[in-house]
Amino acid sequence: EVQLVQSGAEVKKPGESLKISCKGSGYSFTSYWIGWVRQMPGKGLEWMGIIYPGDSDTRYSPSFQGQVTISADKSISTAYLQWSSLKASDTAMYYCARREYSSSSDWFDPWGQGTLVTVSS
Amino acid sequence: QSALTQPASVSGSPGQSITISCTGTSSDVGSYNLVSWYQQHPGKAPKLMIYEGSKRPSGVSNRFSGSKSGNTASLTISGLQAEDEADYYCCSYAGSSSVVFGGGTKLTVL
Repeated sequence: EVQLVQSGAEVKKPGESLKISCKGSGYSFTSYWIGWVRQMPGKGLEWMGIIYPGDSDTRYSPSFQGQVTISADKSISTAYLQWSSLKASDTAMYYCARREYSSSSDWFDPWGQGTLVTVSS
Repeated sequence: QSALTQPASVSGSPGQSITISCTGTSSDVGSYNLVSWYQQHPGKAPKLMIYEGSKRPSGVSNRFSGSKSGNTASLTISGLQAEDEADYYCCSYAGSSSVVFGGGTKLTVL
């Protein structure tokens, strides 16, 4: 079974750093893109960026470029999303999802269960 | 990129059909046959329902169908059931490896 399992909920203070994870199993982790999607409380889905674990090629949404860093460790089939200095406005649920992406295909499936990040003083 | 435009809410009675629209531009929906649709129940992760505009993943009911005309994609759910009550999001490829999501539509089964 193809599965993405994310790290647990986090509560942080403004200015702190954070790295959340997304571990893939049941497929060749290095052969598919992994995407990150933000969902702020009561709001819709926003695409943040993607990484190809095979060569660490990373692309960011212009809205998130410079705000977060996406990385991957293919030796442990895990992708990461990190912040160097959190803001209250980073409070959201963050999902990772495997992206089927080529010149003729593009969709996200499956999705991780989500990681809730709460930033509050 | 601006979010794709979806109606905030739609509703229907059990057994009826509903359609959710997803309007983009000639830079996203209109340029690529790469629209996908996701179902999200409260407190749950999104689930792929339709990809490449009209294809259904294995395990998704054939009551769900997708189509596209110009800059607008549509998701139709026929034979509405109580379990279909959820939020639905469209998503389109928008060039340069980017995607854009719709704002989401809350489906209420009356």
